[in-house]
Amino acid sequence: SAVISQKPSRDICQRGTSLTIQCQVDSQVTMMFWYRQQPGQSLTLIATANQGSEATYESGFVIDKFPISRPNLTFSTLTVSNMSPEDSSIYLCSVDLAGGETQYFGPGTRLLVL
Amino acid sequence: AQTVTQSQPEMSVQEAETVTLSCTYDTSESNYYLFWYKQPPSRQMILVIRQEAYKQQNATENRFSVNFQKAAKSFSLKISDSQLGDTAMYFCAFTTYSGGGADGLTFGKGTHLIIQP
Repeated sequence: SAVISQKPSRDICQRGTSLTIQCQVDSQVTMMFWYRQQPGQSLTLIATANQGSEATYESGFVIDKFPISRPNLTFSTLTVSNMSPEDSSIYLCSVDLAGGETQYFGPGTRLLVL
Repeated sequence: AQTVTQSQPEMSVQEAETVTLSCTYDTSESNYYLFWYKQPPSRQMILVIRQEAYKQQNATENRFSVNFQKAAKSFSLKISDSQLGDTAMYFCAFTTYSGGGADGLTFGKGTHLIIQP
């Protein structure tokens, strides 16, 4: 497996502001993923982030709202822009270890938007 | 599009009992992978077990085993000798691997498992 960290672990933000979430892994990985878990719900894939290419977004998620960076093989950021209370969720990153064919998750970022 | 269905929103069993969580999925792909993840109150997603679709043998990990029925598109999780620490949300998940690498996971809605002392 891999050690995956996320910052911040939680935050309370005002509507209209933006928050950038960091995901760091202790080994080089090709694929990184961002998920959203709304209160009481399951996980939904936001986007797939490959190093050196633009992120691929799922239906219902757009780059202007959730810009993603992937500057190297161990790091990615997700920004939640122009936040509203509906963005209150847990945001999780995951990584697919090369050849492992299994995704491992970071501890998540709990976001509350007031 | 792939879908994953978990029909049991909540289950409760006594400690040391055996419990089976159900999961069905729908896909037209022939090469795919199935997973069970556990999410305790800490919200950390923990991999419990994985199954490759091309393998007929059911995966096992200690007290956890699956019953994979490919033709029926069914993937149930059996927990033997259940323990208090097994109390958590359990999510069934599905993914495919294309030529470019892994695809994202599609999750079921989850089953809240409660182990009673």
